[in-house]
Amino acid sequence: ELQLVESGGGLVQPGRSLRLSCAASGFTFDDFAIHWVRQGPGKGLEWVSGISWNSGHVGFADSVKGRFTISRDTAKNSVYLQMNSLRPEDTALYYCAKDMSNEGTGDFDYWGRGTLVTVSS
Amino acid sequence: SYELTQPPSVSVSPGQTAIITCSGGKLGNKYVGWYQQKPGQSPVLLIYQDTKRPSGIPERFSGSNSGNIASLTITGTQVLDEADYYCQAWDSVTVVFGGGTKLTVL
Repeated sequence: ELQLVESGGGLVQPGRSLRLSCAASGFTFDDFAIHWVRQGPGKGLEWVSGISWNSGHVGFADSVKGRFTISRDTAKNSVYLQMNSLRPEDTALYYCAKDMSNEGTGDFDYWGRGTLVTVSS
Repeated sequence: SYELTQPPSVSVSPGQTAIITCSGGKLGNKYVGWYQQKPGQSPVLLIYQDTKRPSGIPERFSGSNSGNIASLTITGTQVLDEADYYCQAWDSVTVVFGGGTKLTVL
């Protein structure tokens, strides 16, 4: 069974850092791009970042560019989102999503359940 | 940056056809996807590449995309289709979501 399991969320003060993890199983991890999508309280979906199958292409939303980085570890079938200089507006449920393609075209056929990040003093 | 615009809400009676629109500049030149999200659940992919349905998605869900407008059509809408719906497009190296449409079935 295909699974994406996010972890690493929590309560953090503004300006601090947090690293989210997405553990994948049930499919050939190396064949697909993986993305992070977030949803603020009572708000819509916002794409955050994506990484291609071989890490050759990465992308970020303007709202996080320069503060967040994304990486993947083939040996651990995992994708990571390093979030620095966190702001209250980064408060959201962060989903990991599998792309249908290797380079990443934005068609997300599987989603995790999300991990909650709260940025507050 | 690229933007997608959806109506905040759409209402439909059970058994009728619901159409949810998504507008963006030259949207017809891009591939559009549609997602359904019910309260407390993760989004589900309904339509990708404008018109394709993943396996397991009922045939009553269909999509189209031309000009500046993409549409999600739900034929024979059921009460269980009540949810939030989001369109999505790929723009250069980024993914854009519409603001979402709440579908009410009553």
